[in-house]
Amino acid sequence: DTGVSQDPRHKITKRGQNVTFRCDPISEHNRLYWYRQTLGQGPEFLTYFQNEAQLEKSRLLSDRFSAERPKGSFSTLEIQRTEQGDSAMYLCASSNTPSETQYFGPGTRLLVL
Amino acid sequence: QKEVEQNSGPLSVPEGAIASLNCTYSDRVSQSFFWYRQYSGKSPELIMSIYSNGDKEDGRFTAQLNKASQYVSLLIRDSQPSDSATYLCAVSSSGTASKLTFGTGTRLQVTL
Repeated sequence: DTGVSQDPRHKITKRGQNVTFRCDPISEHNRLYWYRQTLGQGPEFLTYFQNEAQLEKSRLLSDRFSAERPKGSFSTLEIQRTEQGDSAMYLCASSNTPSETQYFGPGTRLLVL
Repeated sequence: QKEVEQNSGPLSVPEGAIASLNCTYSDRVSQSFFWYRQYSGKSPELIMSIYSNGDKEDGRFTAQLNKASQYVSLLIRDSQPSDSATYLCAVSSSGTASKLTFGTGTRLQVTL
């Protein structure tokens, strides 16, 4: 059973550019979560999918952020017009109902210059 | 008031000792509680989950939950240098899509 995978693992971009991250959950996990973690803080919830439906978004998720899970399998998180404050580790996690246990991927570390 | 609070540490314990990590939470409807370990630069790794009041043991780890006091703890017996990491307490509430709310983590240092 492979774990959650994320791509890329690292991304350096210039302010104003768009970036897209991919997450592949554990096979057959129907729930997929995105979190953001900055240095010295715990992960903060961004958004959540059950199958292909995006059921909840945090107010942290500004209009520049969009996430999709088109076929209920992998998910993408896009950040448009990146800002230096977007620099963080973006974490993806998955779980399978009825379990609430979430397993995290390795994360994508974003640096906006 | 933060929803999930942890002492940031560092908590320093000698090798072989018991490390005690504490966490309090503010939302009384919280149902599920998790401890994750996070090494520097890595992603969180699940250590324990606990759902009912009392103790739950898994190897060298024991999670303790007291819902009346809104308190959850993690004990690590026979601490090893490899246990040196940040320990994150996470809480979820039923009916909220099971999203996790994390504390800021407690940094544990196990000294030789």
